[in-house]
Amino acid sequence: NAGVTQTPKFRILKIGQSMTLQCTQDMNHNYMYWYRQDPGMGLKLIYYSVGAGITDKGEVPNGYNVSRSTTEDFPLRLELAAPSQTSVYFCASSYSSGVYEQYFGPGTRLTVT
Amino acid sequence: AQKVTQAQTEISVVEKEDVTLDCVYETRDTTYYLFWYKQPPSGELVFLIRRNSFDEQNEISGRYSWNFQKSTSSFNFTITASQVVDSAVYFCALSEPANFGNEKLTFGTGTRLTIIP
Repeated sequence: NAGVTQTPKFRILKIGQSMTLQCTQDMNHNYMYWYRQDPGMGLKLIYYSVGAGITDKGEVPNGYNVSRSTTEDFPLRLELAAPSQTSVYFCASSYSSGVYEQYFGPGTRLTVT
Repeated sequence: AQKVTQAQTEISVVEKEDVTLDCVYETRDTTYYLFWYKQPPSGELVFLIRRNSFDEQNEISGRYSWNFQKSTSSFNFTITASQVVDSAVYFCALSEPANFGNEKLTFGTGTRLTIIP
């Protein structure tokens, strides 16, 4: 049981490039989330999904896109990377809504230069 | 709007000392959930505890204990006889599950705890 896995662990992008951060969970959780963590700022929600085919914006969605074609996978797409997107990105999943704890992946450290 | 405040940015204590991490929250809902997560140096967030708004009983798990007080909107976390392995960033978080369409956790900014050997 791997839990939540994320790839890659580290990535350096040039300004204007695009990339997809992968996230997979094997717990059959309906809810999945993408957060970014900036130094000293806690975690900010980017997008979340309540089930396959359903996604919604969080607090800081600009510059990102998501899709949820299966229960297991929830990729995050960065289009036209900007230095402001330098951050650590965490994917998480939970059985249901905010009642339940979230399980986090190991994170992806992204630098945009 | 919901908000979580962790006023202590960094705390350092000598090993075996007790330490309390403060968490103050704001919410207009009567039904809500509070969480604590630990982020060790490895980076992954680890769930520690969940408490709902109707259960004000304090909880103890080994060296960890949590004090939930609705009167002061606080959910404080105490580590007794601290150990070096407790060194981490600790996050308090709040959710309002009845707020459909906004089912998310609001995190505090975290408290970095360093245990000095």
